[in-house]
Amino acid sequence: TQTVSQSDAHVTVFEGDSVELRCNYSYGGSIYLSWYIQHHGRGLQFLLKYYSGNPVVQGVNGFKAEFSKSDSSFHLRKASVHWSDSAVYFCAVSAYQGGRALIFGTGTTVSVSP
Amino acid sequence: DPKIIQKPKYLVAVTGSEKILICEQYLGHNAMYWYRQSAKKPLEFMFSYSYQKLMDNQTASSRFQPQSSKKNHLDLQITALKPDDSATYFCASSQERGDAEQFFGPGTRLTVL
Repeated sequence: TQTVSQSDAHVTVFEGDSVELRCNYSYGGSIYLSWYIQHHGRGLQFLLKYYSGNPVVQGVNGFKAEFSKSDSSFHLRKASVHWSDSAVYFCAVSAYQGGRALIFGTGTTVSVSP
Repeated sequence: DPKIIQKPKYLVAVTGSEKILICEQYLGHNAMYWYRQSAKKPLEFMFSYSYQKLMDNQTASSRFQPQSSKKNHLDLQITALKPDDSATYFCASSQERGDAEQFFGPGTRLTVL
């Protein structure tokens, strides 16, 4: 069984600050890890994904995430947030074998203050 | 231009009725999905289709029936509606089944009274 845990339900930062959103997963096989963003009242938008290779992956709008097998983590980071980054961020895992769909964490709401 | 269209945007239904949620994607993708998001549960996978064939079904209730009349269509029929079915239903697609990069529609917000 795949599980995804996002320990922070809500994070508040000031514009220009850095932010780190935590994601831990549990699964024994080969998986894809990804991050999505959901602005209020909208559908989800893909940010980035990891399957293998360089554990640091770059996404859109300055986001990047780092995979750690030892910690079973895939944390998302941004060096300098903008007010438009206020949204809910979802970490997701999907199993490579069988093409299973995305299993999402509970989400972290990021509020960026001016 | 919207790449994934979901209709309607808002839907109000009475308990026991039946509704169909429409989804069309114009990305040329071969896989389509339905997800559900409610206040009580996080984003929850429901179905996946690949080349118009049902591949995965994580919905316990047979009241939820996906329907694919065309390759780029995946509608969701819900019968005998219950208040617990109130949620936002998202359609998504990807180039192939299992791709981690999926494209989501804007959602249909269903309220069952």
